[in-house]
Amino acid sequence: DIQMTQSPSSLSASIGDIVTITCRANQSISNYLNWYQQKSGKAPQLLVYAASTLQSGVPSRFRGSGSGADFTLTINNLQPEDFATYYCQQTYSTLPITFGQGTRLDIK
Amino acid sequence: QVQLVQSGAEVKKPGSSVRVSCKASGDTFSSYSFFWVRQAPGQGLEWVGRITPMFAISQYARRLMGRLTITADEATSTTYLELSSLKSEDTAVYYCARSWRDIKQVPSDTKPDYFQHWGQGTLVTVSS
Repeated sequence: DIQMTQSPSSLSASIGDIVTITCRANQSISNYLNWYQQKSGKAPQLLVYAASTLQSGVPSRFRGSGSGADFTLTINNLQPEDFATYYCQQTYSTLPITFGQGTRLDIK
Repeated sequence: QVQLVQSGAEVKKPGSSVRVSCKASGDTFSSYSFFWVRQAPGQGLEWVGRITPMFAISQYARRLMGRLTITADEATSTTYLELSSLKSEDTAVYYCARSWRDIKQVPSDTKPDYFQHWGQGTLVTVSS
């Protein structure tokens, strides 16, 4: 199975900050990397797919980058609605599809 | 627009079975892959399995094989997850999700898959 490791597992930030979350695979996965945002008690929502393509309707302050085994999700000018848990997901190997353990972002 | 509506919460005894449904609307059904993901309380996301109704092929997470069955009913645009021999560690919210890829339009796997649409989740509690 492809293992996905996110860091940090949690972080605190303030409104207006720039935040970076990293995701590392234990092998190359090309650009088969997606990011989801999950708010408490809700289903995850797609933010970024294919490593760097923003899902329709997602604010441009979100940016995904990377390829191979190392990926980054950057959130610029953090807004109150951005406080949530973020997951990376690889679909390079579909049996199984695997997720990172999540990064919880809360208000400092 | 595409909607995935799941069945309601379930409380089950250890050793019993549960069936969760996910009804799709707003688009064609059979040429998309549907996935199931679960999330134990306070934990992360775990891929459980998938089905592509057009091919009637299901794939399962290794740790659940033998207890898990995923099916699809094209007549009602509904996919089902059935989990048997329930254990307390199966307590989780179960989500269905749909791929972006219409296999009839984009047959190749050369583009990354992703879960474009999600159901609202179904809490399954296993407790004696």
